Amino acid sequence: DVKVTQSSRYLVKRTGEKVFLECVQDMDHENMFWYRQDPGLGLRLIYFSYDVKMKEKGDIPEGYSVSREKKERFSLILESASTNQTSMYLCASSPTTGQGYEQYFGPGTRLTVT
Amino acid sequence: AQTVTQSQPEMSVQEAETVTLSCTYDTSESNYYLFWYKQPPSRQMILVIRQEAYKQQNATENRFSVNFQKAAKSFSLKISDSQLGDTAMYFCAFFGGTSYGKLTFGQGTILTVHP
Repeated sequence: DVKVTQSSRYLVKRTGEKVFLECVQDMDHENMFWYRQDPGLGLRLIYFSYDVKMKEKGDIPEGYSVSREKKERFSLILESASTNQTSMYLCASSPTTGQGYEQYFGPGTRLTVT
Repeated sequence: AQTVTQSQPEMSVQEAETVTLSCTYDTSESNYYLFWYKQPPSRQMILVIRQEAYKQQNATENRFSVNFQKAAKSFSLKISDSQLGDTAMYFCAFFGGTSYGKLTFGQGTILTVHP
């Protein structure tokens, strides 16, 4: 079974702090994604990566950056956390071909910025 | 750009009954995939069912089936014999015309199954 894990289920940070959210997948998937989930807005793509050290902006990249130094690990960085970044963050991975492009999701990190 | 719309923020159904969740999408692509994902309360999101646009036959997975109307750009999910464990947020998602497996998600529908 594909397994996607995220470093924390719940996180509370202060405004202005630098925040790291980590995601690890164990299926050698090329693609990895970071979403934020807010009520009424569904999932919105922040950044994605299609290979080690390769990344592309999603729909809402402002205030975020990412890092992918190893194929299995994809980190989301909030350079200076703000209260409007309080949200649920979901990581996902998918293979480049086959399996109909299904994405496999981690359990999510609920981040609160105070 | 693709858009996906779920017009029902919340729905409820009695156990053992049937419920249909709606999804519409907009695209200029001719080949694409559509998905329904399920996110149970405080649990991981999982794939429920997948439909490939070039297949005319509607996908079915046990109690879950879809009504795919390509011309109308509609992709509804039917859950038969609803169970308490079906209580979850359901997302419709679209893949097509983009690289690297990017999905576009709808806003989600919260489904509550009542005993």
